[in-house]
Amino acid sequence: EAGVTQFPSHSVIEKGQTVTLRCDPISGHDNLYWYRRVMGKEIKFLLHFVKESKQDESGMPNNRFLAERTGGTYSTLKVQPAELEDSGVYFCASSQLPAETQYFGPGTRLLVL
Amino acid sequence: GNSVTQMEGPVTLSEEAFLTINCTYTATGYPSLFWYVQYPGEGLQLLLKATKADDKGSNKGFEATYRKETTSFHLEKGSVQVSDSAVYFCALSDRSSASKIIFGSGTRLSIRP
Repeated sequence: EAGVTQFPSHSVIEKGQTVTLRCDPISGHDNLYWYRRVMGKEIKFLLHFVKESKQDESGMPNNRFLAERTGGTYSTLKVQPAELEDSGVYFCASSQLPAETQYFGPGTRLLVL
Repeated sequence: GNSVTQMEGPVTLSEEAFLTINCTYTATGYPSLFWYVQYPGEGLQLLLKATKADDKGSNKGFEATYRKETTSFHLEKGSVQVSDSAVYFCALSDRSSASKIIFGSGTRLSIRP
């Protein structure tokens, strides 16, 4: 069974540009989560999808971040325009049911110059 | 609110040494507790978990016991190997906020041959 996959693995962009990160959850997992770790600090929750609906987006830092999950399969996280402080590692996770074990992807390392 | 505090790193040990990484938590309910590990160049992997008081999670020689009276979930291993070098994250999830995992800041562990 394939795990959670994320694309790209690394992205280097300039301040003001747009970047879109993609996450493919484990097949059959309705719950999809985004997290990020900035500047070597703790990993922080961004948002939670149940199928295509946003269940909890309390962790989204500001309106420069837009997450979508059309069709309830893969999800994208767009940062527009990117700022220096957005640099970090963005993780995606999925689970079959809420409160069950979340399985994480390898992360996308984003560097904004 | 819920939070996790873990031992600051980096921690450097010699091969075959005994390892303890301390973790304490604050939670209003009865959380599930986790240790995640990130090996160099890889994503987050669930190392072990415990879902109720006095449960012991174990995997790959690592153990942690859910201690409600001390609100702790310390990670231990009797004899570490070079291949254990990684960043270790203590984390919790609570049924009242089932959508999110709350992580500690991570502890980098380096094992010398």
